[in-house]
Amino acid sequence: QVQLVQSGAEVKNPGASVKVSCKASGYTFTDFNMHWVRQAPGQGLEYMGVINPNTDGTNYAQKFQGRVTMTRDTSIRTAYMELRSLQFDDTAVYYCSRGGYESGGYWGQGTLVTVSS
Amino acid sequence: EIVLTQSPGTLSLSPGEGATLSCRASQTVSSNNVAWFQQKPGQRPRLLIFGASSRASGIPDRFSGSGSGTDFTLTISRLEPEDFAVYYCQQYGRAPLTFGPGTKVDIK
Repeated sequence: QVQLVQSGAEVKNPGASVKVSCKASGYTFTDFNMHWVRQAPGQGLEYMGVINPNTDGTNYAQKFQGRVTMTRDTSIRTAYMELRSLQFDDTAVYYCSRGGYESGGYWGQGTLVTVSS
Repeated sequence: EIVLTQSPGTLSLSPGEGATLSCRASQTVSSNNVAWFQQKPGQRPRLLIFGASSRASGIPDRFSGSGSGTDFTLTISRLEPEDFAVYYCQQYGRAPLTFGPGTKVDIK
C-alpha cells in the first residue's frame, strides 16, 4: 500500500533552516509529483510548492520563492523540503502529499516545526 | 494565482441533515480540476472528491461534488456523526495549486 512517512518534529531558532523528509513506498516514486503543504496552528491549509521526482523540476508558491528548496533522492524514494530564515509564523505542521488524485490521495503524517527562541 | 473562496465559513447542522458547501474560484479552473478534502482535528487531510465530481476510493456515496468553471459544490446528503469536520476545496488546474479557507461543519 502507498505510504508517505515524514521525519520527526523539529524545534528551531528564528533565522535557522529546517529540512523535512518524506519517504515514499508502495508505488513508483518517479511517476507522481510530490507537493508540500503547511498548516499553522488553528489555521487552514497553505500550499508551498511541488517537485517532479522524475525531472527534478520544481514550482514554488510565490510566498516561499527564495526561501524554500524542494529536492529528491530517487535512490531512496525520498523527497525533501528545506525552508530557510525561519520566523515565528513558520511554526506549523508540514505535510507532503502525492499528486495524481485519480490514483488516490495520499498525505504524509505531518511534521511539526516549531520556531522558538 | 487562483484564489478560492468558500462559503459559509461555518455550517451548524444536526446528524441526518444535508449539507451544501460552496467553493468559488477567481478564474476558471481548467478541466474542472477541483478537489475536496475533509480534515478532522489532529489528522491529515483526506481526499473526498477529485475532478470536481469523482469520488475517491472508499468515500461513501453520501458525498458528491458538482460544478464547473468557477463555481463548485460539495454536497453531503445525510450527515453522519463522523462527518463533522472542516472541508477544504483545492484547485489543481493551474500552478500554484491553491486551497480555499475551509468550511467548518459542526454539530448544532
